[in-house]
Amino acid sequence: DIHLTQSPSSLSASVGDRVIITCRATQSMHRYLNWYQQKPGKAPKLLIYAASSLESGVPSRFSGSGSGSGTDFTLTISTLQPEDFATYYCQQTYSTPYTFGQGTKLEI
Amino acid sequence: EVQLVESGGTLVQPGGSLRLSCAVSGFTFSNYAMNWVRQAPGKGLEWVSSMTESGDNTFYADSVKGRFTISRDNSKNTLFLQMNSLRAEDTAVYYCAKASPDVLTGYSLYYFDYWGLGTLVTVSS
Repeated sequence: DIHLTQSPSSLSASVGDRVIITCRATQSMHRYLNWYQQKPGKAPKLLIYAASSLESGVPSRFSGSGSGSGTDFTLTISTLQPEDFATYYCQQTYSTPYTFGQGTKLEI
Repeated sequence: EVQLVESGGTLVQPGGSLRLSCAVSGFTFSNYAMNWVRQAPGKGLEWVSSMTESGDNTFYADSVKGRFTISRDNSKNTLFLQMNSLRAEDTAVYYCAKASPDVLTGYSLYYFDYWGLGTLVTVSS
C-alpha cells in the first residue's frame, strides 16, 4: 500500500499569508496525486488533480506541484483568504487502496 | 448541474446489515467510475470502494473486503453499497464520489471530482 504523510498536520496562518502543504508518498506514483479541501460538516471539494492541474472554478491562488521522483508533492496557497481556512487532504489514485493523507488543518 | 445524493444511513446494531444508495443526475452515469469514501467522526477520509463504468471491475479497502459490496444500476443512475457484518468501527459518514478519467490513458479512476453530501451510518447497540 502507498502511505501518504502530510506536513504539517496543523498550521496557523493569517489572511494574506503564503502557505505550503507537503505530501510525501512511500513510493513513486507519478502524477496520480490529488488535493481536496474540506470544511466542517461539508463534503470534500477537489482543488488540484494530476499533481498540478487546477480544477475548474478553483481560484488561481491554489497551485500544486510534484517532484521528479514522484514521491513529493506540494499544495501552495499564494495569498490566504478567509474562506481558505479548512482541512486539506492529498490522495493517491496510482494503485488501490486509494489512500488519503492524514489531513492538514489550516487555522487562523 | 451534477448532483449526488446518498441515502440509507441510520443506526444499526453490530453484526447488522445496511444498503446505501447514491442517486446521481447531471451527467451520463454509465460513462464514469464511481466510489465510496467514508469519514469516521472527527477523523480523516478513508477510501472504501470503487467500481468501473461498466461494473466489470470492483475494488475494496482491506477493512471492508468480504463484508461490503459495491454495485450500480446504470438504468437508474444509482450506485449502491451493501454493508454486512457491520462493526462499531464502520461508524462514519459515507460519501459517494464520481471519478473522472485520465484522458490520455483512459484510466477511469484518476480523480474524484464530484461528491455527495454524505449519509451517516452509526453502528452501536
